[in-house]
Amino acid sequence: DAGITQSPRYKITETGRQVTLMCHQTWSHSYMFWYRQDLGHGLRLIYYSAAADITDKGEVPDGYVVSRSKTENFPLTLESATRSQTSVYFCASTQTGVEAFFGQGTRLTVV
Amino acid sequence: GDSVTQMEGPVTLSEEAFLTINCTYTATGYPSLFWYVQYPGEGLQLLLKATKADDKGSNKGFEATYRKETTSFHLEKGSVQVSDSAVYFCALSPPTASGSRLTFGEGTQLTVNP
Repeated sequence: DAGITQSPRYKITETGRQVTLMCHQTWSHSYMFWYRQDLGHGLRLIYYSAAADITDKGEVPDGYVVSRSKTENFPLTLESATRSQTSVYFCASTQTGVEAFFGQGTRLTVV
Repeated sequence: GDSVTQMEGPVTLSEEAFLTINCTYTATGYPSLFWYVQYPGEGLQLLLKATKADDKGSNKGFEATYRKETTSFHLEKGSVQVSDSAVYFCALSPPTASGSRLTFGEGTQLTVNP
């Protein structure tokens, strides 16, 4: 299916565990982003990527790692999950630099 | 740094009421401005955009005008429907950054009652 998909949609993990959130887009967009959505904060940029093998930090990168070995995939890894990382995570992509397309989100709960 | 400030929510209206959601921004130069909408359980979708001063973006009966002099991009709709119930986000993308490095406001929850 064309578009941008995230997996899993829901995840519960324990403090200290490593967890990876997946993001896949079928448009071959150059730019991809990870945001987290928290009440009272809107969406905050965690990491972004301008192309395969090019990534950079956003506003709130601590505790997260990203990679982009292929243009279509942009996984986000929490190396050692903490309760403060409980959030809804959104992946997005764009080519034009004007409109960004968002996935449906991953709701992560760290217990 | 860049920032976006939206009016505090939540906002509750009756069907056919007039809607205004205020948005002001701080940025250097001439950013592009956006309104995104998030329906329950879904990701964000672009509602409308404006890329230069005095541009008016419009879609689905919603409008917003890029006001450089007041650094604002207020969202309006003349007659809301129950189906407009959603969270609305104002956002900006700086003029020198490629790839839509969007900065978002906090979001405004809109509930429209029949």
